[in-house]
Amino acid sequence: KQEVTQIPAALSVPEGENLVLNCSFTDSAIYNLQWFRQDPGKGLTSLLLIQSSQREQTSGRLNASLDKSSGRSTLYIAASQPGDSATYLCAVEGGGSEKLVFGKGTKLTVNP
Amino acid sequence: GAVVSQHPSRVICKSGTSVKIECRSLDFQATTMFWYRQFPKQSLMLMATSNEGSKATYEQGVEKDKFLINHASLTLSTLTVTSAHPEDSSFYICSAPPPGLVAQPQHFGDGTRLSIL
Repeated sequence: KQEVTQIPAALSVPEGENLVLNCSFTDSAIYNLQWFRQDPGKGLTSLLLIQSSQREQTSGRLNASLDKSSGRSTLYIAASQPGDSATYLCAVEGGGSEKLVFGKGTKLTVNP
Repeated sequence: GAVVSQHPSRVICKSGTSVKIECRSLDFQATTMFWYRQFPKQSLMLMATSNEGSKATYEQGVEKDKFLINHASLTLSTLTVTSAHPEDSSFYICSAPPPGLVAQPQHFGDGTRLSIL
């Protein structure tokens, strides 16, 4: 059974700092890995999707890496801003099912 | 704009009430939709896979008679929480994978906060 773990559970940083969020998964047989953002009481916003054959994806100040063999992914946020404050979720999709297994998330607070 | 619309966004009702939640794909057809549930400080957990024109597939431990799923058209799936009790209070959210062969992120609704008194 696939399990996804995110560390840390919460993170508070001053504005402008670069930061890294970590995600690990137990079963390396994944189709892709996705990072989402969730604002309080809201739905999910897709940030980045990394296919199993890829090593990283970039979008603006965000960079996500994937090391499938070791079951790890990182989300790097450069020059953090208060508007980045949210919960960041990591999810993996198993082969062919389109079902997502989520981690518990990292709650990020960027202080002005 | 949002490509998956979920309604209502919040429900507060008495114990024993049945509650229906709708999930619509606005600009694409979805033969499959997923229903997740999120308890406070917990991860989103898949409840069931909604299949257009056939029975839903439920995850282990999810009561199919309590959580009725209907996928009557290619753009609408509904989740009905029957005879809801306080322990059913949670955040329910649906998703739909967009059509196409290239891997794309799933589109999520904005979720429904269900509070049973």
